[in-house]
This record gives sequence, C-alpha cells and structure tokens, in this order.
Amino acid sequence: KQEVTQIPAALSVPEGENLVLNCSFTDSAIYNLQWFRQDPGKGLTSLLLIQSSQREQTSGRLNASLDKSSGRSTLYIAASQPGDSATYLCAVRLDAGKSTFGDGTTLTVKP
Amino acid sequence: EAGVAQSPRYKIIEKRQSVAFWCNPISGHATLYWYQQILGQGPKLLIQFQNNGVVDDSQLPKDRFSAERLKGVDSTLKIQPAKLEDSAVYLCASSLFRARIPYNEQFFGPGTRLTVL
Repeated sequence: KQEVTQIPAALSVPEGENLVLNCSFTDSAIYNLQWFRQDPGKGLTSLLLIQSSQREQTSGRLNASLDKSSGRSTLYIAASQPGDSATYLCAVRLDAGKSTFGDGTTLTVKP
Repeated sequence: EAGVAQSPRYKIIEKRQSVAFWCNPISGHATLYWYQQILGQGPKLLIQFQNNGVVDDSQLPKDRFSAERLKGVDSTLKIQPAKLEDSAVYLCASSLFRARIPYNEQFFGPGTRLTVL
C-alpha cells in the first residue's frame, strides 16, 4: 500500500524567502506525481505534474523535482509572497492509476 | 474552458438521512474521481470511473455509499444512511484519458462540504 508523507505539516517564512516543501512515498513504482495548492474552503488547484520518466518540472517561481529511487519529491518556491500562503498537497499515482495524497504542508508567508 | 462543476456547495443533514452530490467534469475528460477530504487530511479516493465503468472503488464504503456515472459524463455520489463520521468535503475531479498516456493531470471542482448532525 502506497503511503505518502509530507513534512513539515506547517511552515512559516518571511516574504522573499526561497523554500522547499517535501513529499515522500513508499512505493517507487509510480506513474506520475502532481503538486496542488488548496486555499481555505476551496478545491485543489493543480500546480505541476511530473511523469515518472521526468526529473523535474518548472512553472514560473515553482520547480518540482522527482527522485523515484529515494521515494522523494520536492517543491521549490522562489521569492515567496504572501499570496503563496496555502496548503500544498502532493498526490502520487501508481501504475494502476490510483492516486494517494499526503496530508499537506500549510505554508504561511508573512509580509 | 469550463472547470469541474459540483453541487450543492454545502449540505447539512441529520444522521441516518440520505444525501446526494452531483458532478459535471471538464468536457472530454473520460476519467472521473470522487474523493473524501476530512479536515486536516489529504483527499482519499472513494471511486474512480473510466467513462461509465468503475476502475477502482476499493475504499468506497459500499454498505452506505454508492456512485454512478450514466452516459459517461455527469456523476452522482450518494450516502444512505449518513453517519457523523461522514462529515467531510466531497471533491470531484476529472482527467483526460489518452491511449498512450492514460493518466493525466487531475482537475478538481470546488467540493461539497457535508455536515452530519
């Protein structure tokens, strides 16, 4: 059974700081991994999707990396802004198609 | 392009009552998912459809939960009878299916927040 862990559960940083969010998974036979953000009371917004054959994906100030052998993915946020405050979730999809989510990291960026 | 639509947005019921949620996926998305998200946790997959066939329902409490996707487009999720522990946000998502890349980016709707009293 795939287990997905996101540590830390919460993170508070000053505006402008670069930061890294972590996602660990136990089964390396993954199909893809997707990062989302979730604002309070809202649905999930897709940020980046990394296929199993890729090592990283970039979108604006966001960069996600994938290391299947170590069972890890990181989401790098450059020059953080207060608008980046949200909960960030990773979802790991196995070859069979089922996705397992971590419980997320709640990020607060202070002005 | 319209996103995933869900209704209602909020629902309050008493335990042992029944409730139904509706989802309309992004046009052309053959794969549809229902997730349950309990406060402070990540979403948990309840059921996954490919067109109108079930791909995975291993975590669906089948004694009280049911879902259908008639005609391979809209879907409804029903709970009957509801329990206190069913209080959660129910999220619907959809993704494109291609023969060479079957599992693609998931797009989520706004969710339905269910409170069972």
